[in-house]
Amino acid sequence: IAGITQAPTSQILAAGRRMTLRCTQDMRHNAMYWYRQDLGLGLRLIHYSNTAGTTGKGEVPDGYSVSRANTDDFPLTLASAVPSQTSVYFCASKQGPANYGYTFGSGTRLTVV
Amino acid sequence: AQSVTQLGSHVSVSEGALVLLRCNYSSSVPPYLFWYVQYPNQGLQLLLKYTSAATLVKGINGFEAEFKKSETSFHLTKPSAHMSDAAEYFCAVTWGDKLIFGTGTRLQVFP
Repeated sequence: IAGITQAPTSQILAAGRRMTLRCTQDMRHNAMYWYRQDLGLGLRLIHYSNTAGTTGKGEVPDGYSVSRANTDDFPLTLASAVPSQTSVYFCASKQGPANYGYTFGSGTRLTVV
Repeated sequence: AQSVTQLGSHVSVSEGALVLLRCNYSSSVPPYLFWYVQYPNQGLQLLLKYTSAATLVKGINGFEAEFKKSETSFHLTKPSAHMSDAAEYFCAVTWGDKLIFGTGTRLQVFP
């Protein structure tokens, strides 16, 4: 089934540890996005990539980094996790112009303790 | 920057009642607008989108939304709520190639 796969589905992480959230899509979409979802704040854009080899910062990029070595994969890395990064993280992708809408993964629930 | 405001973080209706979820956007040019639904412990699913074709947009599961430029609104409605409609609903607006989300409205449906 075509779509986005995120891994892990959930994780408890000690503060200060490094963590990479994985996102893979098989739809050959050019653009990919990482959002975090927090109660009362909706979804906020962390980083995005319009095409392989390029990345950009969203609304809340601090403490996160991304890479886009190929079309399919868009990992999100927390270099040194802090409790405020406890959240649900969603990866999304889009093929085409802005009016196409996004396809979302099922999310990764991350708890930093 | 674009933004959307969803009035009411929680909306409760009885089964069979009208559902109205409000969304207002800030934009000096006609945007693309979307409604997404999120069921518990799942990702977001596209309900419907406005892309400047028709102002009344019909989506899945009996939902529809009307784009009103004069009111900068894109409210989501459904004539008769079902128990299965209980979920969180997000309005979103495009900003360049990015999508900016509102804070969400949780819909509860009572029998």
